[in-house]
Amino acid sequence: DQQVKQNSPSLSVQEGRISILNCDYTNSMFDYFLWYKKYPAEGPTFLISISSIKDKNEDGRFTVFLNKSAKHLSLHIVPSQPGDSAVYFCAATFNTGTASKLTFGTGTRLQVTL
Amino acid sequence: KAGVTQTPRYLIKTRGQQVTLSCSPISGHRSVSWYQQTPGQGLQFLFEYFSETQRNKGNFPGRFSGRQFSNSRSEMNVSTLELGDSALYLCASSFLPSGANVLTFGAGSRLTVL
Repeated sequence: DQQVKQNSPSLSVQEGRISILNCDYTNSMFDYFLWYKKYPAEGPTFLISISSIKDKNEDGRFTVFLNKSAKHLSLHIVPSQPGDSAVYFCAATFNTGTASKLTFGTGTRLQVTL
Repeated sequence: KAGVTQTPRYLIKTRGQQVTLSCSPISGHRSVSWYQQTPGQGLQFLFEYFSETQRNKGNFPGRFSGRQFSNSRSEMNVSTLELGDSALYLCASSFLPSGANVLTFGAGSRLTVL
């Protein structure tokens, strides 16, 4: 049961344009969402997060949008740079008090072309 | 400060064997989580340890086990290896239990089962 889904396995965007990576979730109890970026031969690194009490969070070129009614979040990268080429994972969690854990999506491979 | 260190980085085993992977978290981090990454499946949660206690466990068979030592270092073991266990095994640490806390990942241990 994939509770966090990234339906686009890959995305190609030209340098300077906007990259939009999408993520859907099914568990309405999720209340905190994160994006991680992974380069080959490295572990994932934290990129940006958003709490369910917000609908937008911005950090430089990266903005995450959350639509709770649609159970959908998206990551916008503007402008896209070649160094952004990586696999992006969205993750979701809820605090059960004693056993919260992160549930990851399957990842989207972003390629930024020159 | 040193990051999360995983050893070995690469290993090849045959079906039926067992394997032990090691993870040294960031100094001061007491939570260690393990994930399995396979193509098309994203990062699947294996288990989390906090202060030497297993705090949470994913949906993996009992062949997958782990432990955490008093210095927060963690090991995971897979017994009776199957071909499907071939994957990248990622360890992540955080100061507090995972969930809304940002995880710092190691580079992973890539296991190939022949």
